[in-house]
Amino acid sequence: SQQGEEDPQALSIQEGENATMNCSYKTSINNLQWYRQNSGRGLVHLILIRSNEREKHSGRLRVTLDTSKKSSSLLITASRAADTASYFCATASLYNFNKFYFGSGTKLNVKP
Amino acid sequence: EAGVTQFPSHSVIEKGQTVTLRCDPISGHDNLYWYRRVMGKEIKFLLHFVKESKQDESGMPNNRFLAERTGGTYSTLKVQPAELEDSGVYFCASSQDVFGAGELFFGEGSRLTVL
Repeated sequence: SQQGEEDPQALSIQEGENATMNCSYKTSINNLQWYRQNSGRGLVHLILIRSNEREKHSGRLRVTLDTSKKSSSLLITASRAADTASYFCATASLYNFNKFYFGSGTKLNVKP
Repeated sequence: EAGVTQFPSHSVIEKGQTVTLRCDPISGHDNLYWYRRVMGKEIKFLLHFVKESKQDESGMPNNRFLAERTGGTYSTLKVQPAELEDSGVYFCASSQDVFGAGELFFGEGSRLTVL
């Protein structure tokens, strides 16, 4: 399977703390994306990092990509209760970059 | 601009019945995808349309599933006859980037429960 796998499966932190989620994948990629899903809603795109990039920032989000280890991490700084959601990584294969593989997600709970 | 819309939001059917899910992508998006999430597991790729053509249907579980995209606009996913293991949330997504590698815009999903 080429699916990205997120780790941990669940994470519970206090508001104001940082949250780090990891994603591992198996094959060469064109890009890796992170999505957020609030309960019962659709997935919302957060950030895209290309295979030739190592780090990217967007507001309180920081994404790193290590293609040698086939892994990525998503850091949410100064978390808020509103960040409570499931987070998914999605990889676009280098050989078929129209096909996106998702993992099982990390369920983040930010306690106020 | 309207987002991706899916209908119905929830469907409960008996085993052996037929269900048709509909997805209206964002206007102008040539790429349309169907995904499925079962019991909190990974979000699995089902198929990908470019306009009205099936680009990749390698994720379709079996021939009980039929997807169409009429005139390159909305898409339907029919399950006939439905089995218990077909229960899950079916997501539709669309994107504009014809060369791929762009962000996906998701609908809110259609939850299918097969009893």
